[in-house]
Amino acid sequence: AQKVTQAQTEISVVEKEDVTLDCVYETRDTTYYLFWYKQPPSGELVFLIRRNSFDEQNEISGRYSWNFQKSTSSFNFTITASQVVDSAVYFCALSEAFTGGGNKLTFGTGTQLKVEL
Amino acid sequence: DAGVTQSPTHLIKTRGQQVTLRCSPKSGHDTVSWYQQALGQGPQFIFQYYEEEERQRGNFPDRFSGHQFPNYSSELNVNALLLGDSALYLCASSSGFGGSTDTQYFGPGTRLTVL
Repeated sequence: AQKVTQAQTEISVVEKEDVTLDCVYETRDTTYYLFWYKQPPSGELVFLIRRNSFDEQNEISGRYSWNFQKSTSSFNFTITASQVVDSAVYFCALSEAFTGGGNKLTFGTGTQLKVEL
Repeated sequence: DAGVTQSPTHLIKTRGQQVTLRCSPKSGHDTVSWYQQALGQGPQFIFQYYEEEERQRGNFPDRFSGHQFPNYSSELNVNALLLGDSALYLCASSSGFGGSTDTQYFGPGTRLTVL
């Protein structure tokens, strides 16, 4: 069975600090996709990034970057120069494909990020 | 380009009642998935609809049922409501072709409270 663990329940930082959110996953699939979503207080899950299992090159997109390491089954997400608007719950998710098409997401329990002035 | 929409925003029901939640997918998407998110937890997969058929189902009882219409919109029905059904219900849409590559885009959710 697929499993996603986000050990950090809550993180508080001061604006402009960098913050890294940890994610560890378990899967028996050889090809899979990992996602990060952001959930502000309004409740809507906002898609941030997607990463496939066969490309371990780390990337940067604006203030976001991610570190994917297949050897340790980790997919960590970093926000550089955090802002108050980054305050939200962040979810890591693992995609499981269905035979014949489609997929479902298995989510971690989320990390509450609070960015203070 | 409209994103995923859900209605109603909030709903209050009593135990034993039945409820219907609605979802319209993002333009160009034909697959709808439903998730239940209890307070302080990550979303849990309920089921996915494609071509008006239930494609896959998570670990939820038969009290949870759904439907997809020819215009790809979807409904989630929950019968015989229990207190434990109180949660945020999220609808997600995707293109449905790529398997694990599909990115699911979520709506704002319906918050259901069962008294």
